[in-house]
Amino acid sequence: EDQVTQSPEALRLQEGESSSLNCSYTVSGLRGLFWYRQDPGKGPEFLFTLYSAGEEKEKERLKATLTKKESFLHITAPKPEDSATYLCAVQARRSGYSTLTFGKGTMLLVSP
Amino acid sequence: NAGVTQTPKFQVLKTGQSMTLQCAQDMNHNSMYWYRQDPGMGLRLIYYSASEGTTDKGEVPNGYNVSRLNKREFSLRLESAAPSQTSVYFCASSPQSTQYFGPGTRLTVL
Repeated sequence: EDQVTQSPEALRLQEGESSSLNCSYTVSGLRGLFWYRQDPGKGPEFLFTLYSAGEEKEKERLKATLTKKESFLHITAPKPEDSATYLCAVQARRSGYSTLTFGKGTMLLVSP
Repeated sequence: NAGVTQTPKFQVLKTGQSMTLQCAQDMNHNSMYWYRQDPGMGLRLIYYSASEGTTDKGEVPNGYNVSRLNKREFSLRLESAAPSQTSVYFCASSPQSTQYFGPGTRLTVL
């Protein structure tokens, strides 16, 4: 069974205070790891897909990295508008159709 | 492009009532999904449709039925609503792996 564990559950930062969110996963062969951002009362918004260990992707103040066991979402000099819940999901490589398994998310609050 | 749209945005039902949640996408995606999101539980897959004409159960299908009406539309039906089905429901679509989500329907069952 595929499993995704995100930590911490919640994180409070001051504006400009860089930090990282963790996504640990167990999957029988990784096809892809996905990061989403979710604002209160809205649907998840796609951020990144990572496919293999060592891969990195960046978007503004966010950088996602991937190892064989976990992914990190690094937030550099965050701003209040980065406040949201960040979701991680994995897709397994298997015969037939493969769906996403989501973690429970990390709620990030950035204070001015 | 509107992306993924869902109706209604909010709904209150009484126990035993039925209703259908509607989802449509204008991105020509093959696959569509229904999730529910509950506090502390994360997103859980209810049903999915890998392609037009096919549907399959996800992690939590009990109490729900789905219809892939055509390539654009995927509906979720609650035949006899229960309080345990109080949740926020999200529809998503994907061309291959990456899923794109709708804005959600907040459902309360009294």
